[in-house]
Amino acid sequence: TQTVSQSDAHVTVFEGDSVELRCNYSYGGSIYLSWYIQHHGRGLQFLLKYYSGNPVVQGVNGFKAEFSKSDSSFHLRKASVHWSDSAVYFCAVGGSNNRIFFGDGTQLVVKP
Amino acid sequence: NSKVIQTPRYLVKGQGQKAKMRCIPEKGHPVVFWYQQNKNNEFKFLINFQNQEVLQQIDMTEKRFSAECPSNSPCSLEIQSSEAGDSALYLCASSRQSSGNTLYFGEGSRLIVV
Repeated sequence: TQTVSQSDAHVTVFEGDSVELRCNYSYGGSIYLSWYIQHHGRGLQFLLKYYSGNPVVQGVNGFKAEFSKSDSSFHLRKASVHWSDSAVYFCAVGGSNNRIFFGDGTQLVVKP
Repeated sequence: NSKVIQTPRYLVKGQGQKAKMRCIPEKGHPVVFWYQQNKNNEFKFLINFQNQEVLQQIDMTEKRFSAECPSNSPCSLEIQSSEAGDSALYLCASSRQSSGNTLYFGEGSRLIVV
C-alpha cells in the first residue's frame, strides 16, 4: 500500500523567505513522486516529478525537490517565495499499478 | 491554462437527485482519472480509464456512482442519488500513459448537495 504524508498542514512565511514543504512516502516498489500546486478553488497544476536519476529535480517557478530513498522523502523547496506562491501544495506518489496517491496537502501562506 | 475541460464548474442538487459531470481530456491523452476532493483537501481516487476501458475503480458498493468514457464523447461521472456526503470537488485528470506520467487536471466540478 502506498501512503503519502505531508507533516505540515500549514506553513506561513514572508515574501523573499526560503521554504521547505515536507513529504514522506511509503511504497514497496519502484515509484515516481510528484508535486502539484492548487490555487483556491482551481484544479491542480504539475510542478515537478522524480522517477530516476539525479535526486534533485528542478521544477517550474524556481521550485525544486530532492528525493531521498534512505529517508523516504521528497521535500519541496524554494529559495525565495513570492506572494503568488500562496496555494496548497500536494505531494503525490505513483507506482506501476495505475494508481496515484496524494498527500493531504500543505497550505502555504506567503505574507508581504 | 488547463486543456482538460470539465463541466459544469458548479452544480447544486437536492438529496436524491442525479448529478452528472463531464470531462474532455487533453487531446492525445488516452488515460482519464476521476478524483473526489473533500473540504479537508483529501483526495479519493474513484476510477480511471484507458480509452473506453476501466483500469481501476473503487468499490462503488452502493452503485450510486457510475462513470464512462465513450469514444468520441466526453467522459462522465454520474451520481444516481446524491447524498450530502457527496458534496465535494470532483477532479478529472488525463495522462499520456496509465502510470508514470504527469496528470493534467481540469478545474473541477464542485457539487453541493443541499
